[in-house]
Amino acid sequence: DTAVSQTPKYLVTQMGNDKSIKCEQNLGHDTMYWYKQDSKKFLKIMFSYNNKELIINETVPNRFSPKSPDKAHLNLHINSLELGDSAVYFCASSQDVGRGNEQFFGPGTRLTVL
Amino acid sequence: RKEVEQDPGPFNVPEGATVAFNCTYSNSASQSFFWYRQDCRKEPKLLMSVYSSGNEDGRFTAQLNRASQYISLLIRDSKLSDSATYLCVVTPNDYKLSFGAGTTVTVRA
Repeated sequence: DTAVSQTPKYLVTQMGNDKSIKCEQNLGHDTMYWYKQDSKKFLKIMFSYNNKELIINETVPNRFSPKSPDKAHLNLHINSLELGDSAVYFCASSQDVGRGNEQFFGPGTRLTVL
Repeated sequence: RKEVEQDPGPFNVPEGATVAFNCTYSNSASQSFFWYRQDCRKEPKLLMSVYSSGNEDGRFTAQLNRASQYISLLIRDSKLSDSATYLCVVTPNDYKLSFGAGTTVTVRA
C-alpha cells in the first residue's frame, strides 16, 4: 500500500548513458513533482505536472525530460548523463496545486554517474 | 540570495532538552510555511504547517514572523527519535515549494 513509489531505488551508470526513473502514486492526487537533492542536501524542484500538464519547469538542462502518461505516473528520462547528475531524485505528489497542499514523497532514487 | 536559508547546525542536545532554530525567507509574497522532517537517507515528510498565529503539535511549536520574514521551530523534551534534519519550506507562489537546506538535530542519550 505504498503511497508514492519510485524505481529503481539505486542506479549506477556510466557518463554518456541514457536512463529513466519511474514514479507512481496511488493517492489519487492530481499533481506530481520531481526534485533533485544534491550532496549538500539542498532539495530543488525540477518539474511539476498537474493532471498530466507541465506547470513547473525550473532551469533544468534539456537532457532531462519528464513524461506523464496519466496523472498517477510521472517518469523522468535523462539523456547523456554527466557526473554532476549524481544525486538523489525524489518524486512527490499533492492533492492539487496550491500553497497549502502537503506533498508526499517517494523513497528516492540514488543516481551515481561514474 | 537563497529563497530560504537555515542554520545547518548540527544542534547536539541531550535527551529532555529544548532546542530551537529559525529559518529566513526572502520572498515577502510567500503565503504558506511548513516544517518537513527528513531522516538520514529517507524521504522528507511533513512535520507541521506554520500558521500566522503560531501553532503547537505536542512537543513541537512553530512560529511565523512576517515582519522579519522568518519562521521558527521549537522542540521541547527532546527524544532520541527527534534526531533528524528539519527542512524549512516556503511557498513563494501557488505552484511550488522552496526548501531550505535543513537544520540537523542530534539528540544524545
